[in-house]
Amino acid sequence: QKEVEQNSGPLSVPEGAIASLNCTYSDRGSQSFFWYRQYSGKSPELIMSIYSNGDKEDGRFTAQLNKASQYVSLLIRDSQPSDSATYLCAVNMGGGFQKLVFGTGTRLLVSP
Amino acid sequence: NAGVTQTPKFQVLKTGQSMTLQCAQDMNHNSMYWYRQDPGMGLRLIYYSASEGTTDKGEVPNGYNVSRLNKREFSLRLESAAPSQTSVYFCASRARGEGTEAFFGQGTRLTVV
Repeated sequence: QKEVEQNSGPLSVPEGAIASLNCTYSDRGSQSFFWYRQYSGKSPELIMSIYSNGDKEDGRFTAQLNKASQYVSLLIRDSQPSDSATYLCAVNMGGGFQKLVFGTGTRLLVSP
Repeated sequence: NAGVTQTPKFQVLKTGQSMTLQCAQDMNHNSMYWYRQDPGMGLRLIYYSASEGTTDKGEVPNGYNVSRLNKREFSLRLESAAPSQTSVYFCASRARGEGTEAFFGQGTRLTVV
């Protein structure tokens, strides 16, 4: 069982819709959570980080964290074709919390 | 700003050959990482170094060795390459602290034939 799990998709949404991406993790002691976006053939880049239970909003992106359920999600409002990419969930784990573990990623396709 | 630099960008090896992937960062980061990425598998952690002088195994360390040469450089060595090690390898670095952003190199595409 992977320490960080995501549905690999693809998740297909029409332009303008809300895309919802989900992630679960195994280490109950984890404190920091990240969403990265990766375009095909490129390196991952950070979209958002979240540390506290609840919602965190940044423009069209909202990250949601529920530590009791060991669940973190990313909502993308008003999805655009340029949002089509793979979205990777990452969790800080382990003693010292420098072990950064990624999920398998969810491929998002936004159709015009 | 160079950020995280990986060399080489592409490499083809024969089964059994050895090679070292190089990674250097110029952001004075404490932590450095090596990941491999295969289709549908996301990023899998091979080894990481939380600080200069320390290294720890990740999810898939078998067949690899690492060296944290100094604060800037973290190398990944394949002693006897196997076709199963065909992958894209990413190096990353981040500052000390739980919530810090990881910055990635451009990746090395390795093919073992």
